[in-house]
Amino acid sequence: NAGVTQTPKFQVLKTGQSMTLQCAQDMNHEYMSWYRQDPGMGLRLIHYSVGAGITDQGEVPNGYNVSRSTTEDFPLRLLSAAPSQTSVYFCASSYSGGGEQFFGPGTRLTVL
Amino acid sequence: KQEVTQIPAALSVPEGENLVLNCSFTDSAIYNLQWFRQDPGKGLTSLLLIQSSQREQTSGRLNASLDKSSGRSTLYIAASQPGDSATYLCAVRLYGGSQGNLIFGKGTKLSVKP
Repeated sequence: NAGVTQTPKFQVLKTGQSMTLQCAQDMNHEYMSWYRQDPGMGLRLIHYSVGAGITDQGEVPNGYNVSRSTTEDFPLRLLSAAPSQTSVYFCASSYSGGGEQFFGPGTRLTVL
Repeated sequence: KQEVTQIPAALSVPEGENLVLNCSFTDSAIYNLQWFRQDPGKGLTSLLLIQSSQREQTSGRLNASLDKSSGRSTLYIAASQPGDSATYLCAVRLYGGSQGNLIFGKGTKLSVKP
């Protein structure tokens, strides 16, 4: 099992650009989520999904879109990047909403 | 609103010491609590998951306890090693519609000196 994988590992964007952060898991987990980690703020939930076709907002959803067309993949889209979105992004998955969560290695994003 | 606090923010100990990391949460109505380790520039590695009905979980040199009524969890590390140096995060999961969502503390940065 590769577990939870994320691409790219690093990304630099200019303000206003859009991009998609990729997340995939091969554990047949129903629950997937995206967090961002900022110094002094800890990890905060952006969006989550309880299964294919079902997504919902977390604590800090503004400026981000998600979709879940398959069980395996949960991409995060930045619509128009802003410097405030400079952060490290982590994708996580679990078998159920209450199960042990497993995290990907993260994507370090810088918006200039 | 649930808040998770970890004290101290940083801890430095000599190799071989037994140590305890603390995590407190404001709302005792949690589904479970999970401890993670994060190495610099890396992702989170799950260490232990304690369900709300459990009092403790053990894995190797690690032992995590949970006291829901007092809103506290501790992570005990026995015979610490330099390889244990990392940031340790605790996170609680709530009941309800956003059941799977974790609320994190800001972590304790542990340094184990040889």
